Amino acid sequence: NAGVTQTPKFRVLKTGQSMTLLCAQDMNHEYMYWYRQDPGMGLRLIHYSVGEGTTAKGEVPDGYNVSRLKKQNFLLGLESAAPSQTSVYFCASSSLPGLAYTDTQYFGPGTRLTVL
Amino acid sequence: GQSLEQPSEVTAVEGAIVQINCTYQTSGFYGLSWYQQHDGGAPTFLSYNALDGLEETGRFSSFLSRSDSYGYLLLQELQMKDSASYFCAVRVTPGQRDDKIIFGKGTRLHILP
Repeated sequence: NAGVTQTPKFRVLKTGQSMTLLCAQDMNHEYMYWYRQDPGMGLRLIHYSVGEGTTAKGEVPDGYNVSRLKKQNFLLGLESAAPSQTSVYFCASSSLPGLAYTDTQYFGPGTRLTVL
Repeated sequence: GQSLEQPSEVTAVEGAIVQINCTYQTSGFYGLSWYQQHDGGAPTFLSYNALDGLEETGRFSSFLSRSDSYGYLLLQELQMKDSASYFCAVRVTPGQRDDKIIFGKGTRLHILP
């Protein structure tokens, strides 16, 4: 049981390059999320998904796209990377809130992205 | 707008008790969660409150007052390993298309020997 895994762990991009971050979870969770974390800014929600085939915008969605073709995977894409997207990206998953008397998100280890 | 406010830093002594406060202003409220994050690590879940009152989990307790839009995390018998950042988070309108989770900016806890 690996929990939530993220690929890659580190990446350096040049401005204008594209890349995809992969998140996978083996807990059969319905909800999946992508966050970015910058110094002093806490965690900010980029996009999220409430189930396979569905996605929705979070707090800071501009410059990112996502897809959830399979329940266990949630992909985050940067079509044309910019230095402002230098950050640590965390993926998380959770079960349906309301079905259980808790609201635990399980986070992956993070991807450290630098855009030059 | 939606916001969660928590102190940026707190300092306490090993073995003591510390309280980290969180006040929130959100368009909806489902519950208040707390996460711990060590430097270079991922956030890990600590505690959750959906109803008013105190929830206790070992050395950690969390309190919620929905009428005051306020909660806190209480850490007892502080240990050096508790040095970390602590985030409060609110889920807004779960199960609906505009469901979101809002995180506070985090409180850095420094523990002195």
